[in-house]
Amino acid sequence: LAKTTQPISMDSYEGQEVNITCSHNNIATNDYITWYQQFPSQGPRFIIQGYKTKVTNEVASLFIPADRKSSTLSLPRVSLSDTAVYYCLVGNTGFQKLVFGTGTRLLVSP
Amino acid sequence: DGGITQSPKYLFRKEGQNVTLSCEQNLNHDAMYWYRQDPGQGLRLIYYSQIVNDFQKGDIAEGYSVSREKKESFPLTVTSAQKNPTAFYLCASTLRQGYYGYTFGSGTRLTVV
Repeated sequence: LAKTTQPISMDSYEGQEVNITCSHNNIATNDYITWYQQFPSQGPRFIIQGYKTKVTNEVASLFIPADRKSSTLSLPRVSLSDTAVYYCLVGNTGFQKLVFGTGTRLLVSP
Repeated sequence: DGGITQSPKYLFRKEGQNVTLSCEQNLNHDAMYWYRQDPGQGLRLIYYSQIVNDFQKGDIAEGYSVSREKKESFPLTVTSAQKNPTAFYLCASTLRQGYYGYTFGSGTRLTVV
């Protein structure tokens, strides 16, 4: 399984755009990149998934460069409710034992 | 609505007792997983099951046991052999084909008293 590296924590203010970058140098050809969001005392929630280039949904955008060795989760105009831990995972089937690192703890302040 | 239901939300265990955490899904997912999360930490895999009547140990299986008698159910038993069971336990599921990401339950917080 490709190992991922992401910042331990990030701080932002309401209304700002937040970009969280994840490094996955050993990503395999058929691996997808998936981001999850976790609030305290809740299970992680799927945010976005991509394979290459750019993916956008109603919550976030995911930017993946051509070499796919990293990816960036972009949260536009964050609010206090975006304060959470964000996990980046890489895998190629639903069966894989996904490894959740410590994630990135995002704190949004007023 | 489809989803994963974990119960109970909070559970207290006395020293030396076994307790069972329930996980039920109505998503028709093939694979189910149990994770443990300690404060400020990521998720660690305890057990997973890809099909009925089959399951494999994860990274921290000691002191835990599971069963998968039905596709929709994957209960976790925390035995007295688990020396530090106080944690937040999360159940997840996913489809067999393709890569669609995990769906998680809301978790069970287990405390030893």
